[in-house]
Amino acid sequence: NAGVTQTPKFRVLKTGQSMTLLCAQDMNHEYMYWYRQDPGMGLRLIHYSVGEGTTAKGEVPDGYNVSRLKKQNFLLGLESAAPSQTSVYFCASSYPTGGGETQYFGPGTRLLVL
Amino acid sequence: LAKTTQPISMDSYEGQEVNITCSHNNIATNDYITWYQQFPSQGPRFIIQGYKTKVTNEVASLFIPADRKSSTLSLPRVSLSDTAVYYCLVVPRSNDYKLSFGAGTTVTVRA
Repeated sequence: NAGVTQTPKFRVLKTGQSMTLLCAQDMNHEYMYWYRQDPGMGLRLIHYSVGEGTTAKGEVPDGYNVSRLKKQNFLLGLESAAPSQTSVYFCASSYPTGGGETQYFGPGTRLLVL
Repeated sequence: LAKTTQPISMDSYEGQEVNITCSHNNIATNDYITWYQQFPSQGPRFIIQGYKTKVTNEVASLFIPADRKSSTLSLPRVSLSDTAVYYCLVVPRSNDYKLSFGAGTTVTVRA
């Protein structure tokens, strides 16, 4: 049981390049999330998904796109990377419990945009 | 989502008890209070959650007064490995789970 895994662990991009971050979970969770964390700050929600084939915008969605074609995978895409997108990206997953919920986080992907 | 306020940092020594108080004045009736822990270069990890009164697990205790406008995370007998950022979150009872992480409280434990 690997939990939540993220690929790649680290990436350097040039401004204008594109890339896709992959998140995979083996806990059969319905909900998945993408966050970004800038130095010294808390996490900010980019996009999330409440089920296969559905996605929704979070707090800071501009410049990102997502897809949830399979229940276990949640992809985050940057079509044209900008230096402002330099950050650590965390993926998380959870299941609805009917009262509060626990999110399980991956180890993060460090992205540097030059 | 209810806004939370917690201290930016706290220092402690090994073996001491650390108490972090979080304010959440506009918490809704069905909201839960949840705490996460984040070590450097890792994703956050759930440590405890409560609705009212007191909750205890193997890691921490959570005290919630009757008005639920604040909560206190208690870490007993901390060690150097408890140095981390601790986040207080208010989680709504709904099918639209969007957590709001503030800057958290950086707890530094010294020998």
